[in-house]
Amino acid sequence: AQKITQTQPGMFVQEKEAVTLDCTYDTSDQSYGLFWYKQPSSGEMIFLIYQGSYDEQNATEGRYSLNFQKARKSANLVISASQLGDSAMYFCAMREGGGNYQLIWGAGTKLIIKP
Amino acid sequence: SAVISQKPSRDICQRGTSLTIQCQVDSQVTMMFWYRQQPGQSLTLIATANQGSEATYESGFVIDKFPISRPNLTFSTLTVSNMSPEDSSIYLCSVETGGSYEQYFGPGTRLTVT
Repeated sequence: AQKITQTQPGMFVQEKEAVTLDCTYDTSDQSYGLFWYKQPSSGEMIFLIYQGSYDEQNATEGRYSLNFQKARKSANLVISASQLGDSAMYFCAMREGGGNYQLIWGAGTKLIIKP
Repeated sequence: SAVISQKPSRDICQRGTSLTIQCQVDSQVTMMFWYRQQPGQSLTLIATANQGSEATYESGFVIDKFPISRPNLTFSTLTVSNMSPEDSSIYLCSVETGGSYEQYFGPGTRLTVT
């Protein structure tokens, strides 16, 4: 079974609208971390936001917030007031506990912001 | 955070040749990772490189094909050996900095094998 599922292969959003990118995960660990990365067409991977499984508050970083619903095993990324520069691939990733540093990656969502 | 550079940024190579990719970090880090991203795909971990020990390879990746060096805490190299067109990918190194869980990535090396 997939450990990280991103169900939206692609999305078109009007500039200045809010965007929600879906991510669900599957793990039996109690301790884990969830990440979102942005990959523009240039190819670099840009870290956006992190949520730990024990964090009670949803993580926020500027225009990015992570809607963490533990019971549903979802970790959706919300981008407020989208900009043209937000057009990119977005990847959700998870690191499970037990000292394992490996990130498990979703398939990604291609976001295109329309002017 | 960490600032990571990679060389080369891109290359076009002939099949059967080898390419060594360098990854330099601006601070000392224990763990460095090498990933491959094939066209239109997500990232796949090749190996974890710790200073002072042999790299740990993931299933499907072998040392003879992807030898890795980690001579110190700020530098690593990945060699893609005996290349074929199937090796055409973006190769990325990443590090995990002490005290945080984030992994930071280099800008990537875009490799095309003809």
